[in-house]
Formats: sequence, C-alpha cells, structure tokens
Amino acid sequence: QVQLQESGPGLVKPSQTLSLNCSVSGDSIHTGPFYWTWIRQSAGKGLEWIGRIDINGNAEYNPSLKSRVTISLDSSWNQFSLKLTSVTAADTAMYYCARDANTALITGFDFWGRGTLVTVSS
Amino acid sequence: QSVMTQPPSLSGTPGQRITISCSGTWSNIGRKFVYWYQQVPGTAPKLLIYKDNLRPSGVSDRFSASKSGTSASLAIRGLRFEDEAEYFCGAWDDSLPGRVFGGGTKLTVL
Repeated sequence: QVQLQESGPGLVKPSQTLSLNCSVSGDSIHTGPFYWTWIRQSAGKGLEWIGRIDINGNAEYNPSLKSRVTISLDSSWNQFSLKLTSVTAADTAMYYCARDANTALITGFDFWGRGTLVTVSS
Repeated sequence: QSVMTQPPSLSGTPGQRITISCSGTWSNIGRKFVYWYQQVPGTAPKLLIYKDNLRPSGVSDRFSASKSGTSASLAIRGLRFEDEAEYFCGAWDDSLPGRVFGGGTKLTVL
C-alpha cells in the first residue's frame, strides 16, 4: 500500500518561501507511470492543482502559479518537494501531495497524503 | 472561480438516488476523462470514479457516473448517512494545460 506524508512549516511569513516535502512509502518514486503531484485547498473552497513531476524529473505547473513554483524529486529520500516563493495570505491553504496514476489498472489521483495546513501570516 | 461547474450543495434522504452534475468545456470534459473524488470533512479526497465511469477496487457499486458532451454526472443510489461528504469532479484541461476541478458539491443526508 502506497502512503504519502506531507511535512514542513505550518506558518510562513508574507513574501517568504513556502517549502514542503512529501515522503512516499510502499513504492519508489522512480517506478511506474506516475506523476507526483501537489494540490491545495483553501478554507471552504475547492481544489487547486499546483503542479506535478514525473519519474524522470520533468515538471509541469499551473500557469497561475508557474512563476513562483518549483517541484522537485529527492531520490535519496524517496520524496518530492514543493517550493512556492513570494507567498501572500492568498496562499494560506491545506496542501496535499498525491500520486496521479496513469496505468492500465487505474488513472487519476489514487493515493493522497493527509494534508498539511500552511498559514501565511506575519 | 472553478473551471468546471458543480451545484454548491445537494441534499437527500436515506435510500434515495441523487445525481451531481459537472459542467465543463470541450477542452476538458469534452475530450478528456472525468474523475470524481469524495472528501469526507477533515480528510483527504478519495478517488471514487476514474476514466469517466470506472470504480477503483473497494468503491461501492452504489456509485456510478456518466458523461455526455461537455457534461458529466455522478449518481449515488441507496443514499446512506456515510455518503455525506463533498464531491469534486476533475479532468485534464488542454487549454491550461493542467488538471482542473469543479468547485465541489456538498451533499447532506437528512
């Protein structure tokens, strides 16, 4: 069973950089046709796709966030990370990491982390 | 404002059949697979439907989905109190490009 776990600061000051990690267990981030993804959800609002990275390290980002986002793989720790620069209060949200599968058996976000709440405030 | 449109809320009674609609465009629902996710309050979303109408292993057959043109719908039959949750539709959008979601429908079981 694949498990994902987000980690990182719960409080970030405005204009600073939000950094989160997602540890993956039960599978290697370098196997299978998967995309490792970050999604966020503001209080009382819907889901917003931030971006994803494939097993070869090729990343794609939501155009609305592209200028501020970097997603990368950390093979030594079997995890992937999110960096979001120049944050404002609008970036306050629950941040989820998820696996976006593209296999013959299943596609879509089949495994999710529990989420981590990040608040942007001075 | 979400790329795909869902009714903000719906309610039903135990045993009832309800449907949740999701309206999109030709750049997402019209040419890409639709996914449905269930989010119980305080938990992460869970994949309910993939590739328009397929259920992952372990998902009850009370859940079904369909798609026509640029609209999709999720049906839940034999409604139960445990179905009370928020439901999101999702798809890839070629015009973005990227994954997009509906605004979510909060289902209340009365």
